[in-house]
Amino acid sequence: TQLLEQSPQFLSIQEGENLTVYCNSSSVFSSLQWYRQEPGEGPVLLVTVVTGGEVKKLKRLTFQFGDARKDSSLHITAAQTGDTGLYLCAEHGSGNTGKLIFGQGTTLQVKP
Amino acid sequence: DAGVIQSPRHEVTEMGQEVTLRCKPISGHDYLFWYRQTMMRGLELLIYFNNNVPIDDSGMPEDRFSAKMPNASFSTLKIQPSEPRDSAVYFCASSLYEGGSYEQYFGPGTRLTVT
Repeated sequence: TQLLEQSPQFLSIQEGENLTVYCNSSSVFSSLQWYRQEPGEGPVLLVTVVTGGEVKKLKRLTFQFGDARKDSSLHITAAQTGDTGLYLCAEHGSGNTGKLIFGQGTTLQVKP
Repeated sequence: DAGVIQSPRHEVTEMGQEVTLRCKPISGHDYLFWYRQTMMRGLELLIYFNNNVPIDDSGMPEDRFSAKMPNASFSTLKIQPSEPRDSAVYFCASSLYEGGSYEQYFGPGTRLTVT
C-alpha cells in the first residue's frame, strides 16, 4: 500500500508570512490532489495535478508536482487567517478505482 | 446542486446502542465513500461503492459496522452495538470521473459521540 507522508504535521505562523507544505511518496503518483478542510467541515478539493513538473496557481496558492511524480508541494503567499485549516494530499490507489489514499495532513494555523 | 448531504450532523448515544448514519450523494456521481476521521488516525476509508455495489470494505473496523446503498441516492452506515472508541467524525463523499481523475466531494460529516 502506497503511503503518503506530509510535512510538517503542524505549522503556526503570523498573517502575511509565506509557507510551504510537502507531500511525498516512495512510489510514483498517477495523479495527486490537494484538499483543504476547515474546522467543522468536510475536506474540499483545491486542485488536481497530473503531469510531472506541473505548476498550478489558485490565487495565493501555488501547487507543484515533482518531475518524477513522487512529491508535491503547496506554497501559500502572504497567508491570511482564512487559510487556517487541515491540508490533505491524496493519491489514487492502483487500478483506477476511484479510491483515494490520503496523507495524514498538515494543520495550519494563521494568527492575526 | 446541494452537495453531499449527511444526517444527523451530531449524534450522542450510549454504549451498546445502534447508530445509523445517512448520506445522500451528489446526483450523477457513481462512487460513494464512507470515511472516519479522528485526531489519532486521521482520515480513514471504511468502505466504498461503485454504482451501488460495495467494492472494498477492508477498512470496516469489525463486524459491528455495516453499510448499505439500496439506490443511487441513498446510503447508510450502521454501527451495532456502538462503543466509546467509535467516537469520531464520519464523512460521506461521492465522486465522478472528470478530467482524468476522480474528484471527491465530501459532506459536512456526522460527529458521533458514544458515552
